Amino acid sequence: DIVMTQSPDSLAVSLGERATINCTSSQSIFYRSNNRDCLTWYQQKAGQPPKLLIYWASARESGVPDRFSGSGSGTDFTLTISSLQPEDVAVYYCQQYSSIPYTFGQGTKLEVK
Amino acid sequence: QVQLQQWGAGLLKPSETLSLTCGVYGISFTATYWTWIRQPPGKGLEWIGEIHHSGNTNYNPSLKSRVTISVDTSKNQFSLKLSSVTAADTAVYFCVRARFDYWGQGTLVTVSS
Repeated sequence: DIVMTQSPDSLAVSLGERATINCTSSQSIFYRSNNRDCLTWYQQKAGQPPKLLIYWASARESGVPDRFSGSGSGTDFTLTISSLQPEDVAVYYCQQYSSIPYTFGQGTKLEVK
Repeated sequence: QVQLQQWGAGLLKPSETLSLTCGVYGISFTATYWTWIRQPPGKGLEWIGEIHHSGNTNYNPSLKSRVTISVDTSKNQFSLKLSSVTAADTAVYFCVRARFDYWGQGTLVTVSS
């Protein structure tokens, strides 16, 4: 199985400041057919299912604010929230869909400082 | 409006079989995979498996011996069965489109004697 490791486990950021969450895969999750990496980012608030934010490592899902961006390639990826808003408090997960079983990072809890 | 509506028993005894069904409304059921994902209380996400409308399945090897995912295309539904459950199977179970953009509301399944 591909192991996905997120850092940090928790993060406290001031409102309006940048938040950065990292995700590392134990092996490449590159998809040669379209030259993209098979990585998604989710936001999960308490009592709700995860919400898709980013797919193909950097493509923003429709309706997701542009303060959310994904970057990286190969085995190292980053989710950046450019200016933290109160509604961004949540747990964030990365996931690879390159090979079965699809696997998730352990989650990063984002709070307001 | 797209909806994934799921239902099934929420309380099981050890050794029983978990059974959940997900109805898909407002979106094409064909030409895609449909997925089950679970989340133990307070923990991370685990991909269980997926099924194509044609019936092709892929399972997480860690659960493969106990999991069956089936599809009823006439009703736009797919189902999960997990046999011989233990307390370790206690989790919120989600049905998800395999693009990971549409999620069911989640069903808490508790295994307790």
